[in-house]
Amino acid sequence: DVKVTQSSRYLVKRTGEKVFLECVQDMDHENMFWYRQDPGLGLRLIYFSYDVKMKEKGDIPEGYSVSREKKERFSLILESASTNQTSMYLCASSSPRTDRTYGYTFGSGTRLTVV
Amino acid sequence: EDQVTQSPEALRLQEGESSSLNCSYTVSGLRGLFWYRQDPGKGPEFLFTLYSAGEEKEKERLKATLTKKESFLHITAPKPEDSATYLCAVQPDDYKLSFGAGTTVTVRA
Repeated sequence: DVKVTQSSRYLVKRTGEKVFLECVQDMDHENMFWYRQDPGLGLRLIYFSYDVKMKEKGDIPEGYSVSREKKERFSLILESASTNQTSMYLCASSSPRTDRTYGYTFGSGTRLTVV
Repeated sequence: EDQVTQSPEALRLQEGESSSLNCSYTVSGLRGLFWYRQDPGKGPEFLFTLYSAGEEKEKERLKATLTKKESFLHITAPKPEDSATYLCAVQPDDYKLSFGAGTTVTVRA
């Protein structure tokens, strides 16, 4: 019954490393999103994509990039990890056909620690 | 700019002690207001969608209401399993949701 899958639940990376976070959805959704969640700040949008090979910056894109080569997969890339990127990362997907009814479907999240 | 403010940040309840969570918002053209539940270490799970002022939705011990400026999530006779963070989000004219910071509810037996 898993619908949005994030490849890792926990990751520990070193400062300066290039980090890849993967997200796959099986609902044929057009839209995919990457958020980070920090205590007291809520969910902040990093990047989103409304179609294959399309991407748009969210509210906090600095230090991140994304890739969407296939409809079901949306990858978040930390080009050079820094300690201030330690956070919970959430992937979500939606469809214009259903988003007004159900909003987004979220993955279980990846807890990233940069040391 | 769309804004969503949730209060209180944290709520500690005794089992059976009813209470309400608030979500106030400013948005241009509200298409929908969503409530999600998030358990520790997990992603948010959908609870309700409200579309217009005066609308109400219920699910077990939870009831969500909507006015033109705010939404309330009422928890009636809560149980320990209702402990979670509750997130509110608004959907303006485009498809992107704007989220509040959440209210963390702890229900003690």
